[in-house]
Amino acid sequence: EDQVTQSPEALRLQEGESSSLNCSYTVSGLRGLFWYRQDPGKGPEFLFTLYSAGEEKEKERLKATLTKKESFLHITAPKPEDSATYLCAVQEAGGSYIPTFGRGTSLIVHP
Amino acid sequence: KAGVTQTPRYLIKTRGQQVTLSCSPISGHRSVSWYQQTPGQGLQFLFEYFSETQRNKGNFPGRFSGRQFSNSRSEMNVSTLELGDSALYLCASSSLAVQGTGELFFGEGSRLTVL
Repeated sequence: EDQVTQSPEALRLQEGESSSLNCSYTVSGLRGLFWYRQDPGKGPEFLFTLYSAGEEKEKERLKATLTKKESFLHITAPKPEDSATYLCAVQEAGGSYIPTFGRGTSLIVHP
Repeated sequence: KAGVTQTPRYLIKTRGQQVTLSCSPISGHRSVSWYQQTPGQGLQFLFEYFSETQRNKGNFPGRFSGRQFSNSRSEMNVSTLELGDSALYLCASSSLAVQGTGELFFGEGSRLTVL
């Protein structure tokens, strides 16, 4: 069973159509949860770190939230340049600090 | 501030050959991690080096090895290449000296194709 599951695998939106991406995790204790953005042919780019349930972080049209078992990446009024794969990664408390990555959500925003 | 630099960006090898990939971390970053990314498995952790010592290792066979030099630059080597080794190999550096939370800064990757 994957420790980090992202859904949906792929998402197509029209420009301006807000939506949310989900990242659920099964680790017993969370040290940190990370969101990254990856453009085709490039390495992932760091977006946010969340540490505790109830925490929220915002950057431009993106807002990340965290509960005890999942995180959401909300995209408000997306633009075509927001098209990318969004990766979630989890660090387990008490274990190796190496983050475990989900398989990502591929987002395409049509103009 | 220069980012993480990986070379070569693209390479094609045949089965049985070996390959060496290079990574120069962000100046001042002493932790370097390597990941393999494939469409089927996503991002899989290979190993992490700090101050020339391997601190963590993922579940990959011994054909995958790495090292770090005194200037924090790192190399990874894959021997006896198999078709399944075709992937994007990503290097990431981090500024944290102790094992803990902290974001990773990735390079653009080395795209390896094994024929």
